[in-house]
Amino acid sequence: GESVGLHLPTLSVQEGDNSIINCAYSNSASDYFIWYKQESGKGPQFIIDIRSNMDKRQGQRVTVLLNKTVKHLSLQIAATQPGDSAVYFCAENAGGTSYGKLTFGQGTILTVHP
Amino acid sequence: KAGVTQTPRYLIKTRGQQVTLSCSPISGHRSVSWYQQTPGQGLQFLFEYFSETQRNKGNFPGRFSGRQFSNSRSEMNVSTLELGDSALYLCASSLVGQGSTLHFGNGTRLTVT
Repeated sequence: GESVGLHLPTLSVQEGDNSIINCAYSNSASDYFIWYKQESGKGPQFIIDIRSNMDKRQGQRVTVLLNKTVKHLSLQIAATQPGDSAVYFCAENAGGTSYGKLTFGQGTILTVHP
Repeated sequence: KAGVTQTPRYLIKTRGQQVTLSCSPISGHRSVSWYQQTPGQGLQFLFEYFSETQRNKGNFPGRFSGRQFSNSRSEMNVSTLELGDSALYLCASSLVGQGSTLHFGNGTRLTVT
């Protein structure tokens, strides 16, 4: 497959475990924080977002936590499956929801072992 | 509903040449953004178009340009290619007011030799 990063942080888990992927952001003025998943050979896929006035948001098997005090964002994946193996990117949107200009983090490689 | 379509999928060019990449957004999506992805710099915003107007531009030299047509389809052009322009170029579309929810295509892999 195509490589999207050669020196990214990595997380290796067993199938069924919970995974936590962390991200530090820089812009205190960002309105939205978003998580994307990128599988080999594909473009990033939207997972979940959280508005800056929230500290937690849940989706299907995923939870995003936002700590504005320390500018930290995390993605929790419950009951991780082999299909969750991918590169995960956090992103910030400082232009509200109207603009598609996102600032992406470097990404974390998640590997799920059966 | 068809996803974002980018053509071509792969492209090999020589230094000094120019290249045009094409993007067809999801039907009904009027905002199109372009990103460059490299192992060293990660995902970087190039520009965004809405209603045929460039709404935002990233920190790239003027050799990088784009446009959007009345049917929301978009093209980006890179002139006087350099080796460092080798990258995966990603196009994303979104609905008005939902700029955080970008729908990405699978990209065009550009190699400059």
